[in-house]
Amino acid sequence: SQQGEEDPQALSIQEGENATMNCSYKTSINNLQWYRQNSGRGLVHLILIRSNEREKHSGRLRVTLDTSKKSSSLLITASRAADTASYFCATTGANNLFFGTGTRLTVIP
Amino acid sequence: GAGVSQSPSNKVTEKGKDVELRCDPISGHTALYWYRQSLGQGLEFLIYFQGNSAPDKSGLPSDRFSAERTGGSVSTLTIQRTQQEDSAVYLCASSLEGPHTQYFGPGTRLTVL
Repeated sequence: SQQGEEDPQALSIQEGENATMNCSYKTSINNLQWYRQNSGRGLVHLILIRSNEREKHSGRLRVTLDTSKKSSSLLITASRAADTASYFCATTGANNLFFGTGTRLTVIP
Repeated sequence: GAGVSQSPSNKVTEKGKDVELRCDPISGHTALYWYRQSLGQGLEFLIYFQGNSAPDKSGLPSDRFSAERTGGSVSTLTIQRTQQEDSAVYLCASSLEGPHTQYFGPGTRLTVL
């Protein structure tokens, strides 16, 4: 299976702290994406990192990719209560994205 | 512009009934996807439409599931003879082309009693 797996499954932090989520996958990829989901509804694309990139930033988000270890991490700095959501990594298949089971992040005000 | 819309937002049905779920993709997006998400789980790919090509139905869990996309725009996912295990959130997404950055609708929460 090409499906990614996130770690940890759940993470609870205080507002202002940093949150780090990890993703491991099994096959070669062209790119890896991170999505966010609030309240079990639609997903929102956060960031895409290509296989030839090692790190990418977008606002308070920092994504790293290690293709030799088939892993990626998402760092959210200076977390806010509004960051509370589930975060999924996704790798690109021929016709669809393969999503992991997600990390449930809770940011306590 | 308008995002991906789905209807209904919630659907409660009795076991054995048929249901139809609708997805309106972003205008101009040639690719459309259906996913299923069971409670607390990741997304399970169901079906993919790309332009006028034959759809990739490899993710449909059984022959009770079917989908069509009319005029390259609106899509309908039909589940016949619903079972309790069909209860889930059904998510639709569209993209300009291919499986790259996808834009998701809010989903339809299906409950089969």
